[in-house]
Amino acid sequence: NAGVTQTPKFRVLKTGQSMTLLCAQDMNHEYMYWYRQDPGMGLRLIHYSVGEGTTAKGEVPDGYNVSRLKKQNFLLGLESAAPSQTSVYFCASSLTIFYEQYFGPGTRLTVT
Amino acid sequence: AQSVAQPEDQVNVAEGNPLTVKCTYSVSGNPYLFWYVQYPNRGLQFLLKYITGDNLVKGSYGFEAEFNKSQTSFHLKKPSALVSDSALYFCAVRDNTNAGKSTFGDGTTLTVKP
Repeated sequence: NAGVTQTPKFRVLKTGQSMTLLCAQDMNHEYMYWYRQDPGMGLRLIHYSVGEGTTAKGEVPDGYNVSRLKKQNFLLGLESAAPSQTSVYFCASSLTIFYEQYFGPGTRLTVT
Repeated sequence: AQSVAQPEDQVNVAEGNPLTVKCTYSVSGNPYLFWYVQYPNRGLQFLLKYITGDNLVKGSYGFEAEFNKSQTSFHLKKPSALVSDSALYFCAVRDNTNAGKSTFGDGTTLTVKP
């Protein structure tokens, strides 16, 4: 099992550019999550999904969109990147709410 | 709304001494509580969880945590700290009224000195 993988690992964008972060899991988990981690602010939930074809907003959804067309994949899109979106992005998955989350290795995004 | 507080940004202990990392929470329904650890430039790793049952939960690497419903706390403990325990620790909560949404604390940096 590869677990949770994230693509890419690093990316530098200019303000206004767009990009998509891909998260894939091979554990047949129902729930998937996107977080951002900023110094001193812990992990903040951007969007999450409770199953294929579903998405929901988290604490900080503005400026991001997501899609879960296949159960194993959860895509995070930035339509027009801003410097405030410079962060480390983590994807996670879990079987249900009673089970722990498995985290990917993270994507370090810098917006200049 | 659910929330988690980790009141200490930093905890310092000497190797061999007991350690405690504090966590309090607020939820509407039944709490499901988790502890994770993060090493530099890595994703988070699961340590232990409380879903129901025994208030004392044992997890990986000798860690344990006690669920206290009246104090809405879930403190992480270890009887004898190791230098290799030095890392960033996160407490997280879900509840049964919020369909999968997870909330994390801001994290506590644990430093264990030889």
